[in-house]
Amino acid sequence: DGGITQSPKYLFRKEGQNVTLSCEQNLNHDAMYWYRQDPGQGLRLIYYSQIVNDFQKGDIAEGYSVSREKKESFPLTVTSAQKNPTAFYLCASSSPGTASYEQYFGPGTRLTVT
Amino acid sequence: LAKTTQPISMDSYEGQEVNITCSHNNIATNDYITWYQQFPSQGPRFIIQGYKTKVTNEVASLFIPADRKSSTLSLPRVSLSDTAVYYCLVGPYTGTASKLTFGTGTRLQVTL
Repeated sequence: DGGITQSPKYLFRKEGQNVTLSCEQNLNHDAMYWYRQDPGQGLRLIYYSQIVNDFQKGDIAEGYSVSREKKESFPLTVTSAQKNPTAFYLCASSSPGTASYEQYFGPGTRLTVT
Repeated sequence: LAKTTQPISMDSYEGQEVNITCSHNNIATNDYITWYQQFPSQGPRFIIQGYKTKVTNEVASLFIPADRKSSTLSLPRVSLSDTAVYYCLVGPYTGTASKLTFGTGTRLQVTL
């Protein structure tokens, strides 16, 4: 059963702590993405990666970091430098053999920082 | 990336056909039009993509006029489960990872 998994579904942290969100895919997709969604808003791109060991900043990369050591995994770290980390975080992937705008999304992680 | 404009919200009764129009006046020659659906607290789901004229799949139809400055997503006979936010995106078919820009979308509410 192919797909994208994100864990955990809900995450709570204290202000000042770094936190890492997990994203794993078994679709054999080369490209992976991280988005942030705030209430009533659209998605904003944080980082994306076209291949292993390579990634690019999206529109709102400040305060976030990523790694892409394996094709299947693209973890996102929300650092203490991120001013407003509370949000819904979505991971996605796509295959270069298909239209780049056909992306497959995970179920999301809702992060709450207090 | 081409800017898109959609209605903020729409209401429909169950069983009706719903048409959501997206305006994209500065669409480029190599841009495609893509629509996604998102339910609350879930990731968006790809619905349909097209370049010109009409595209139809098991879920929806996409109508694109000759000038491609707008497009219309048509949902036939909606049900309560079609209540969701629908996003229109415009961008190039590059075959590699590229930026997706989501606006605020159109919130469709289907009632009995």
